[in-house]
Amino acid sequence: GAGVSQSPRYKVAKRGQDVALRCDPISGHVSLFWYQQALGQGPEFLTYFQNEAQLDKSGLPSDRFFAERPEGSVSTLKIQRTQQEDSAVYLCASSPIQGHAEAFFGQGTRLTVV
Amino acid sequence: RKEVEQDPGPFNVPEGATVAFNCTYSNSASQSFFWYRQDCRKEPKLLMSVYSSGNEDGRFTAQLNRASQYISLLIRDSKLSDSATYLCVVNPNTGNQFYFGTGTSLTVIP
Repeated sequence: GAGVSQSPRYKVAKRGQDVALRCDPISGHVSLFWYQQALGQGPEFLTYFQNEAQLDKSGLPSDRFFAERPEGSVSTLKIQRTQQEDSAVYLCASSPIQGHAEAFFGQGTRLTVV
Repeated sequence: RKEVEQDPGPFNVPEGATVAFNCTYSNSASQSFFWYRQDCRKEPKLLMSVYSSGNEDGRFTAQLNRASQYISLLIRDSKLSDSATYLCVVNPNTGNQFYFGTGTSLTVIP
């Protein structure tokens, strides 16, 4: 499809397990963002890539969170040693230009840590 | 204090009603403002950007008040299909972060 694709759509992890969430942005989009959305809250910024460069990772909540976009296209968000408070929907967005104007979101990965 | 504050609602209005949402932001240097719509268990989708002079798209009107640091969204002639959560988004222009409000829930009742 032509939209932002995220996988898996749902992930159940045992506490302490490592998880990897994938984002396929719209082809040719320069900017890529990761957000975390807890139930009943708005999305919270995690990190931003411009092509392969991670320009802002100030929103990553701890050093257990790591994101990469090695070839400037697909991105992976990795969470090590998952905790229950990591349970949330992780949203990826891409934009054709620098910054966030008219960003398009994927459907998200719903992570549940048990 | 949060960067962006929204009344979470819920707003329950009859079909055909006019409803308005406000959103306040804390950083006076903010430059970019948006309204996104999010349906239950779906991703946020851009509804409209908010320009300094105000802008209208069909039944939707967005306005920016820099002096009072708030943006608003007005929906006229509400439709059942307008039922969703409306998210206010602000770029404080200090980086690449965009700050989302918690969202305002709207239910349009037949």
